[in-house]
Amino acid sequence: GAVVSQHPSWVICKSGTSVKIECRSLDFQATTMFWYRQFPKQSLMLMATSNEGSKATYEQGVEKDKFLINHASLTLSTLTVTSAHPEDSSFYICSARDTTGAGQPQHFGDGTRLSIL
Amino acid sequence: TQLLEQSPQFLSIQEGENLTVYCNSSSVFSSLQWYRQEPGEGPVLLVTVVTGGEVKKLKRLTFQFGDARKDSSLHITAAQPGDTGLYLCSSGTYKYIFGTGTRLKVLA
Repeated sequence: GAVVSQHPSWVICKSGTSVKIECRSLDFQATTMFWYRQFPKQSLMLMATSNEGSKATYEQGVEKDKFLINHASLTLSTLTVTSAHPEDSSFYICSARDTTGAGQPQHFGDGTRLSIL
Repeated sequence: TQLLEQSPQFLSIQEGENLTVYCNSSSVFSSLQWYRQEPGEGPVLLVTVVTGGEVKKLKRLTFQFGDARKDSSLHITAAQPGDTGLYLCSSGTYKYIFGTGTRLKVLA
């Protein structure tokens, strides 16, 4: 149980392109999903908290116009990196928490490696 | 803002050795999770600890939660190459933060 699917797993695209990453909870409903960014050999950095049916909450220093988050249903959140540039290249990981509430552990997707040329 | 410091940052040991990884917080944990992450993959949940003083075992892994719920440790007995990975502690209620990570390499 508690499977989170993230797609695509790998993206290579040209500078200026917008890239959409999907995060789905397959066997549970997730009111809240989280988006993280991870640089090589570093820990995960929380970018934003995605709440179903409302606006995402962004962490300090994360540009909300750059990283658009949509959480239209209890099983799907999307992250769109708009007008991506080489400095946006990174490993992006989503996670989802069961609707049973705060304090429950989060379950992770397998990540998306984004490479901007 | 709660900070999670892990130590050591890096650890390279021989197969069969024991090791302990620590996670310390500037404030009390509500609950704490330990994850292991392999390259190119998302973190995989190992355990959740909730009660001060709690000890949980998962095969060769022993997790301990400090009495004051401000620190936790992960002990691995007789490490194997398959234990290689990035170990992360994490805590939070409505949102989560991660520790600085411990990169473990077990040599055959």
